[in-house]
Order: sequence, then structure tokens, then C-alpha cells
Amino acid sequence: GAVVSQHPSWVICKSGTSVKIECRSLDFQATTMFWYRQFPKQSLMLMATSNEGSKATYEQGVEKDKFLINHASLTLSTLTVTSAHPEDSSFYICSARDKRGGTSGSTDTQYFGPGTRLTVL
Amino acid sequence: AQSVAQPEDQVNVAEGNPLTVKCTYSVSGNPYLFWYVQYPNRGLQFLLKYITGDNLVKGSYGFEAEFNKSQTSFHLKKPSALVSDSALYFCAVRPPLRGDYKLSFGAGTTVTVRA
Repeated sequence: GAVVSQHPSWVICKSGTSVKIECRSLDFQATTMFWYRQFPKQSLMLMATSNEGSKATYEQGVEKDKFLINHASLTLSTLTVTSAHPEDSSFYICSARDKRGGTSGSTDTQYFGPGTRLTVL
Repeated sequence: AQSVAQPEDQVNVAEGNPLTVKCTYSVSGNPYLFWYVQYPNRGLQFLLKYITGDNLVKGSYGFEAEFNKSQTSFHLKKPSALVSDSALYFCAVRPPLRGDYKLSFGAGTTVTVRA
């Protein structure tokens, strides 16, 4: 159980276009999803926290108008990179919080998607 | 503020030998600790977690980790490494605060197991 999918797995786009990345929890409901960015051979940088039915919470330094997040259902969150530029090229990873298994949600675990490689030409 | 340190960028071991990947943490209160593994161009796979209870936690693929509160460490171990264990390993921590689910990740440790 606890499978998270991402689509697409890779995308190449021209500078100035927008790209949408989907993150789905396949066998559990996720009230909270997270979006990360990872540069080669580096750790994950949290971009934003996506809460179902409410606005996303962005980390300091992340432009919310550039990285639009929508968490429309308990199993789907989308990240749209608007007016993409070459410096936005990166590996984007989502995770979904599975709160099953704990009486108070305190034993929850984040499960990660396989990632999306974005290349902006 | 919470933080995680993985003091070794790389760990190299021979197949069949014990594998240890080190992690130390800093967090207020009792931590929730996690280990994840990442293969090239893939997302992170959950290995194990410590929330409370026994200090020795057993996880996937024969991995285990020992929580040591006095040393604020959560080292990942495997008694006999396989070539297929070669990957990037991340330690992560989150505070035990209800409603705060953000993970802080270490910089990662690249494990290479040679045949």
C-alpha cells in the first residue's frame, strides 16, 4: 500500500510555457501533500505544503505566482510551473502524508512519488 | 528549529560486509525520525521510521536503525550489504507537534557496495 504516482515522469518544454505536474495518492487519501525540488546530487528542498480544500503554504523564497499548487481532492495535487525558464529545470518530487495507523495522526508517514524531470529549453 | 546531519557524503563497502549510514538530529522534544532511499532518477522510498517504543527499528530490505537519544543519533544499518543497496540515502526528522508535518532532510549519503 501507500503508493504515490506522478505524471508526467519527464517533460521538455520551451521557455515561457507552463507545465502542469500531477501527484496522486493511489490507495489512500492524503489531506496533505508536499512539493519538493531536488538539484543533482543534492537533498530535497521543500517548496510548499498543499492542503486539500485550502490554499497552499509556500516556503520562504518560493514564488507562489510562479509555482501554482492546487489540491482539489483527497488524492490529487497539481503543481503548475508558469512561464517556465531554464533555471526552473529540475527534478520535482511530491509526497503525500498517510495518516493511517495512528490514533491521533502522530505516526503518519510521507510517501513519495517517483519524481518529474523538467527540462526547460 | 529542526535539523539533520549526515556526516558522510559517501560510504563504500564490499558486498557481504556490514553497512552503516550515520545520522544525527536536532529537534525540540522527542523526534520522529525517518530513513528514505533514492535510486537514480527516482523518488524516495520509505525504509523505516522511529516514533516511540523500541530503540531498534526494523524496516524494509533488511535495514534497521537504532535510535540513541543521548547521542541524538539514528544510524541506519544493514548486517550484510548487497550491490543492489547502492543508492542515495536520506535521513529526515520532524517535530512531534500535531499539525506540523514538514520533514527536514539531511544532505544525503551515497552508498556504493562493490561486488
